Amino acid sequence: AQKITQTQPGMFVQEKEAVTLDCTYDTSDPSYGLFWYKQPSSGEMIFLIYQGSYDQQNATEGRYSLNFQKARKSANLVISASQLGDSAMYFCAMILRGSSNTGKLIFGQGTTLQVKP
Amino acid sequence: DTEVTQTPKHLVMGMTNKKSLKCEQHMGHRAMYWYKQKAKKPPELMFVYSYEKLSINESVPSRFSPECPNSSLLNLHLHALQPEDSALYLCASSQGGNKLAGGNEQFFGPGTRLTVL
Repeated sequence: AQKITQTQPGMFVQEKEAVTLDCTYDTSDPSYGLFWYKQPSSGEMIFLIYQGSYDQQNATEGRYSLNFQKARKSANLVISASQLGDSAMYFCAMILRGSSNTGKLIFGQGTTLQVKP
Repeated sequence: DTEVTQTPKHLVMGMTNKKSLKCEQHMGHRAMYWYKQKAKKPPELMFVYSYEKLSINESVPSRFSPECPNSSLLNLHLHALQPEDSALYLCASSQGGNKLAGGNEQFFGPGTRLTVL
């Protein structure tokens, strides 16, 4: 069965420090994509970063990087130099090739990150 | 322009009312989605439109009726809702097509917070 697991319901990080949010996934499909989204208290889901299962390098987008370990089936999000505005809920999600044309995302339960000044 | 707009931002309705949620995107995306999200939970997929045709209905009750008038617009018609339908309703769009490469991420709107009395 396809599944995303985020084991950290809540995390704290000091401003300007780096933080890693964990995500593991389960699929037998060799072709898949992994996403991270940020959801502030305002509600909007903001796309952060994408990693394809065949991508050779870990994805990076500004302060966000994805630590992709295929053998371990993990796709952890690393946020460098945390800012107060990073306080939000973060969702890891997966899409499978068979459903990529219809875009059915499988979401984890989310991790609430709070950045302390 | 990576914006998806949704109206209204907030909606309060009685169980006998009929209302509609609207979603619009001008990114040329051909896939559009409705999600329902309860507090502190991941979004739950409701409907997917691909090239203006309904491709996924996740066994949503008939009191929710989607409509895709054209490739830029997506509506969700509401009738005889129940208090448990109170939630954040998110619209999203993506390029569509069968590809896993980056670029097929879903972009979300700010959502409509619905309260059913």
